[in-house]
Amino acid sequence: LAKTTQPISMDSYEGQEVNITCSHNNIATNDYITWYQQFPSQGPRFIIQGYKTKVTNEVASLFIPADRKSSTLSLPRVSLSDTAVYYCLGWSNTGKLIFGQGTTLQVKP
Amino acid sequence: GAVVSQHPSWVICKSGTSVKIECRSLDFQATTMFWYRQFPKQSLMLMATSNEGSKATYEQGVEKDKFLINHASLTLSTLTVTSAHPEDSSFYICSARKTSGGEGEQFFGPGTRLTVL
Repeated sequence: LAKTTQPISMDSYEGQEVNITCSHNNIATNDYITWYQQFPSQGPRFIIQGYKTKVTNEVASLFIPADRKSSTLSLPRVSLSDTAVYYCLGWSNTGKLIFGQGTTLQVKP
Repeated sequence: GAVVSQHPSWVICKSGTSVKIECRSLDFQATTMFWYRQFPKQSLMLMATSNEGSKATYEQGVEKDKFLINHASLTLSTLTVTSAHPEDSSFYICSARKTSGGEGEQFFGPGTRLTVL
């Protein structure tokens, strides 16, 4: 599975758009890029997954360039409740999810 | 969406005792379940993969005799921490996948906080 690299932490303010970029230089051809959110003392929650170009759902957008060596999770108009740890993972057909260190997002009022 | 539960949500035990943690998929059948461990301020570490009806596959460095995994049905996997010690205190999280192949989102349980005194 690809090793992923993300910023350790980010700060934002309520109402702003937050973009978290993840590097995955060695991602395999068949791997999908998946993002999870985790609140303290809870299990991770699936946010979004994509293979290439752009994917959007009701909570986020995921941008993946053509070379697939990175991806950017975009959270529109964050609120205090979006304060959490965000993980970028390469997901392969083995089914294993290997978590990196994640990005701790702190949303301030 | 698919729901995964864990029981208990927290447990405190004495050193040397064994503790069993259950992971259930409530509204779907999970042919594959995964067990993770998370220490404070750290990321999740995959411990093992269990497939229904077969032996679990453990990640490197995880003692299979200490962390017993049983996946006897399509909706239940159990993790037993044998002869627990304070260093086993951690947050244990399971996840379940609907299909045995590579496809399929993983759904995570709420976690179990284990404290060994």
